[in-house]
Amino acid sequence: GAGVSQSPRYKVTKRGQDVALRCDPISGHVSLYWYRQALGQGPEFLTYFNYEAQQDKSGLPNDRFSAERPEGSISTLTIQRTEQRDSAMYRCASSRQATNEKLFFGSGTQLSVL
Amino acid sequence: QQQVKQSPQSLIVQKGGISIINCAYENTAFDYFPWYQQFPGKGPALLIAIRPDVSEKKEGRFTISFNKSAKQFSLHIMDSQPGDSATYFCGDNYGQNFVFGPGTRLSVLP
Repeated sequence: GAGVSQSPRYKVTKRGQDVALRCDPISGHVSLYWYRQALGQGPEFLTYFNYEAQQDKSGLPNDRFSAERPEGSISTLTIQRTEQRDSAMYRCASSRQATNEKLFFGSGTQLSVL
Repeated sequence: QQQVKQSPQSLIVQKGGISIINCAYENTAFDYFPWYQQFPGKGPALLIAIRPDVSEKKEGRFTISFNKSAKQFSLHIMDSQPGDSATYFCGDNYGQNFVFGPGTRLSVLP
C-alpha cells in the first residue's frame, strides 16, 4: 500500500478481554516496529521484526503482550487479559531496510481499556 | 535501555524567529541522527537526519548541527512558522531498534 495501515483506528474493550491490533506495512519493507505512545510522551519501543523474524522483544512490558509477523508482511500485536494501564496509542512503523533508518509510521490504534 | 535526552521540553517562538532544540545521546556507536516531527493526531515523520561524517546539514529552513565530542546534536528551524508547531523527537539506535527521546513541543505564535 501507499503507507502503513493500522486497524482498528480505535478499540474500546473491557478489562480482562484480549485484543489484537493489526499493522500492514508499506509493501516490500523489511523491518516492522511496534511502539506505544502515551499522550505527551515519545514513542516507547515494544518490539521489531526483520522479515518474519522477531529480532527484539525487550520492550514488551510483560508476557501478556506478544507479536507476530508470520509471512514477513502483516503483523499483529496481541494483548491478553487487558488492564486499564494498557490504554494508549499503539503505533506501527516500517522501514525499507533492516538499518532502522527512516521509519514510516501508521496513524496508530487508540486502545481504551475500561 | 540507552537514553536520549532532549531540551527544552517545550518552546514558544514568535513567527519568523529561530527555534533550537537539543538532543544528547549516549550510544557512541550510533551513526545516524534523525529528527522526527509529529503533528497532533498523526504519527511521527522523519524531518531531517545527519551522519557523523559531517557537522551540519541544511534542508530548507531546517538545519541539523552535530557535535560528536559532546555527543549532542541540535535542530535549528529558521524563520519559524505557525505551521511548524508540532512535537519534535530525536532518536538513538539501541542495538537494532530505535529509541525516541521524550519530545519537545514547539509552538510558533503568529
